[in-house]
Amino acid sequence: KAGVTQTPRYLIKTRGQQVTLSCSPISGHRSVSWYQQTPGQGLQFLFEYFSETQRNKGNFPGRFSGRQFSNSRSEMNVSTLELGDSALYLCASSDDRGHTGELFFGEGSRLTVL
Amino acid sequence: DQQVKQNSPSLSVQEGRISILNCDYTNSMFDYFLWYKKYPAEGPTFLISISSIKDKNEDGRFTVFLNKSAKHLSLHIVPSQPGDSAVYFCASRGTGNQFYFGTGTSLTVIP
Repeated sequence: KAGVTQTPRYLIKTRGQQVTLSCSPISGHRSVSWYQQTPGQGLQFLFEYFSETQRNKGNFPGRFSGRQFSNSRSEMNVSTLELGDSALYLCASSDDRGHTGELFFGEGSRLTVL
Repeated sequence: DQQVKQNSPSLSVQEGRISILNCDYTNSMFDYFLWYKKYPAEGPTFLISISSIKDKNEDGRFTVFLNKSAKHLSLHIVPSQPGDSAVYFCASRGTGNQFYFGTGTSLTVIP
């Protein structure tokens, strides 16, 4: 079974630009979550999508948005990039919220904003 | 505010000894608690979890203990091996499928 795939792995942008990151979940998983990891802050929850609907949202400004397609693939977008948006963006998928609640993570997209 | 806290940024342990990683949380409504392991340039991988209705869960060398009254959980690794050297994150599941992660503890197992 293929794991969670995130693209691109690395990207460099300048302030004011916008970026789109993509995530393909494990086959059969309908829940996709996005997290931002920065040094000293751990993993901060951005949002979760389930069956194309945003089910939960973290405390991030409206510049951060996402969507999920009918095949469960998800994208997140950050507009008007700021230096502080430089981080590792992790996508995670899960089958449902029963069982262990385990999340399966991709390798992340490393965004650098100059 | 940080609902899940890992107060030790780093821990060094001799090979063969016990590693104990600690985590505190604030929300009594969390229903699952998990530990993840992360190597550089990789995403976190699931290690072990525990339901809020239990106080212990064991999987091989890894045991997680939950003390609900203290809102504290710990991960014990016995015996520790050099390959266990990584950053360990604890996480708690809240409403919906939202997880709250700690800031991580970097474990170094010295051969």
